[in-house]
Amino acid sequence: EAQVTQNPRYLITVTGKKLTVTCSQNMNHEYMSWYRQDPGLGLRQIYYSMNVEVTDKGDVPEGYKVSRKEKRNFPLILESPSPNQTSLYFCASSPTRHTGELFFGEGSRLTVL
Amino acid sequence: SQQGEEDPQALSIQEGENATMNCSYKTSINNLQWYRQNSGRGLVHLILIRSNEREKHSGRLRVTLDTSKKSSSLLITASRAADTASYFCATGPSSNTGKLIFGQGTTLQVKP
Repeated sequence: EAQVTQNPRYLITVTGKKLTVTCSQNMNHEYMSWYRQDPGLGLRQIYYSMNVEVTDKGDVPEGYKVSRKEKRNFPLILESPSPNQTSLYFCASSPTRHTGELFFGEGSRLTVL
Repeated sequence: SQQGEEDPQALSIQEGENATMNCSYKTSINNLQWYRQNSGRGLVHLILIRSNEREKHSGRLRVTLDTSKKSSSLLITASRAADTASYFCATGPSSNTGKLIFGQGTTLQVKP
């Protein structure tokens, strides 16, 4: 089954404790992206990757890092989480950056205390 | 940056009725897409309409696009309780970044 898999789905952590949200897709997509969803602010892009070893900042990259060492994986790293990073995070992929349809993961709800 | 604004923010209808949601955007576009999000779940792509298209159908969904007014509408006909979800329009993807810009969404409740 074609899918984008994120882990963990739910996480409560404390300020400053490094964490990684994993994302994996099995569709051989070149393009992957991370969004965060917040009430009143909608979905905002954090980082994106056009292919292996090619990543760039989206609209709200502060406090986040990413890597793309393999085509299927695109982890989101919070080196020192803060409460303003409490959010619902989505990983998404598409065949290329030109392709319209994004395939989304189920989301990771992160709470930073 | 938010490109799309959706109207209404919330809509409640009875099963069998039609639901219409509207989306307005600010800048010129190549494509406009609609996504559905069930509560707390990931977004699911519904339909994409290109800037040179005026109307598109997919099952019970009908999407229109008026580029002169910078607006789009999503019509769900003969709604079902399972259509209860939030619906988002999104413009893009950007040719440079692949980014989609999402509207705030319309929350649809279909009562059985």
